Amino acid sequence: QKEVEQDPGPLSVPEGAIVSLNCTYSNSAFQYFMWYRQYSRKGPELLMYTYSSGNKEDGRFTAQVDKSSKYISLFIRDSQPSDSATYLCAMSDTGGFKTIFGAGTRLFVKA
Amino acid sequence: SAVISQKPSRDICQRGTSLTIQCQVDSQVTMMFWYRQQPGQSLTLIATANQGSEATYESGFVIDKFPISRPNLTFSTLTVSNMSPEDSSIYLCSVPGTSGRDTGELFFGEGSRLTVL
Repeated sequence: QKEVEQDPGPLSVPEGAIVSLNCTYSNSAFQYFMWYRQYSRKGPELLMYTYSSGNKEDGRFTAQVDKSSKYISLFIRDSQPSDSATYLCAMSDTGGFKTIFGAGTRLFVKA
Repeated sequence: SAVISQKPSRDICQRGTSLTIQCQVDSQVTMMFWYRQQPGQSLTLIATANQGSEATYESGFVIDKFPISRPNLTFSTLTVSNMSPEDSSIYLCSVPGTSGRDTGELFFGEGSRLTVL
């Protein structure tokens, strides 16, 4: 079993849709949860960061962490064609520089 | 945030040859990381490059195959030795976020796309 599971997609939605991206994990020691966005032929860039459980909102993006279920989500409201990218979930344990990544979900937002 | 430059951005190589990838950061950092990103798979940490000491390799990666240099606090190289088609991948250089927290936040270069024929 992988430490982090993420549906690779691809996920195709119309412009303006609400997008839900999810990851599950098995290591209960994870405390820091991140979402990275990776455009084609570019390196990943940090999109959202959350510590422990709860929600965090930044503009059209909301990250949720449910540690009891070992489940994290990223919601994108009013999705735009510019949101088309691969979204990677990532997590690490306390004080760790050992970041574990999901395989990434490819998202296409159609105009 | 850190600005990370990688060279080459892409290359096509012959089986059995070696390629060295360079990573330059615009600020001094203690730790630099090298990741591999294979199609459809998770980003996988190859090794941590520490200035002034040997690199620390993750399980499944060895120094003979992936020698790393770290001559100063802003520069590192990764060599992929004796390449085979299975080494075709994107190789990414990364540094920790500058928030001061040991949280696992990372900044990445744009990657070096390697194709081995």
